[in-house]
Amino acid sequence: SQTIHQWPATLVQPVGSPLSLECTVEGTSNPNLYWYRQAAGRGLQLLFYSVGIGQISSEVPQNLSASRPQDRQFILSSKKLLLSDSGFYLCAWRRTGGGLNEQYFGPGTRLTVT
Amino acid sequence: GENVEQHPSTLSVQEGDSAVIKCTYSDSASNYFPWYKQELGKRPQLIIDIRSNVGEKKDQRIAVTLNKTAKHFSLHITETQPEDSAVYFCAARPPPGYSTLTFGKGTMLLVSP
Repeated sequence: SQTIHQWPATLVQPVGSPLSLECTVEGTSNPNLYWYRQAAGRGLQLLFYSVGIGQISSEVPQNLSASRPQDRQFILSSKKLLLSDSGFYLCAWRRTGGGLNEQYFGPGTRLTVT
Repeated sequence: GENVEQHPSTLSVQEGDSAVIKCTYSDSASNYFPWYKQELGKRPQLIIDIRSNVGEKKDQRIAVTLNKTAKHFSLHITETQPEDSAVYFCAARPPPGYSTLTFGKGTMLLVSP
């Protein structure tokens, strides 16, 4: 079966510090991978998605970046965090292939920028 | 691109009542419509989905209906229980060639005992 991991689970960082969040998927190959952010009490904002190694699409301009160095690894980064970067960061995956549309979320990282 | 509107934003019901959440979408080519349930502090969980070649799908107390002509789909929860309290998100995805879901803004369902 497939499993998605995210770490860390929680993070408190000062403004201006760097950020690196990691997401890995087990039990599948060549998944589509996604990063979402959810502000407190708000909806799901798609930040980045990737259909393969080194292929990143950005949905919104921001001070965040994403990378996919390996097939089942997706990393979200920032060089300098802003207060507005606080939120619940969710990685998600979807199996590629005809008719298999389900998308599943990881457990999330709760980031507080102080 | 696709646009998904979700109503209501908050829904309060008594235990045992039914709850209905409605979503409309803009892209007539969209063919996949999932629903997610998010409990406080947790990840969204896929609870049911429907594809455009089906008008209705049921799974125990939950069901989803799809009206392609009107471009709307709904989540129905019968015999609600306090543990159904959560935020529910609908979403839509256009055909193969597109990789992303477009989500509604969510409905907070509160079930009172």
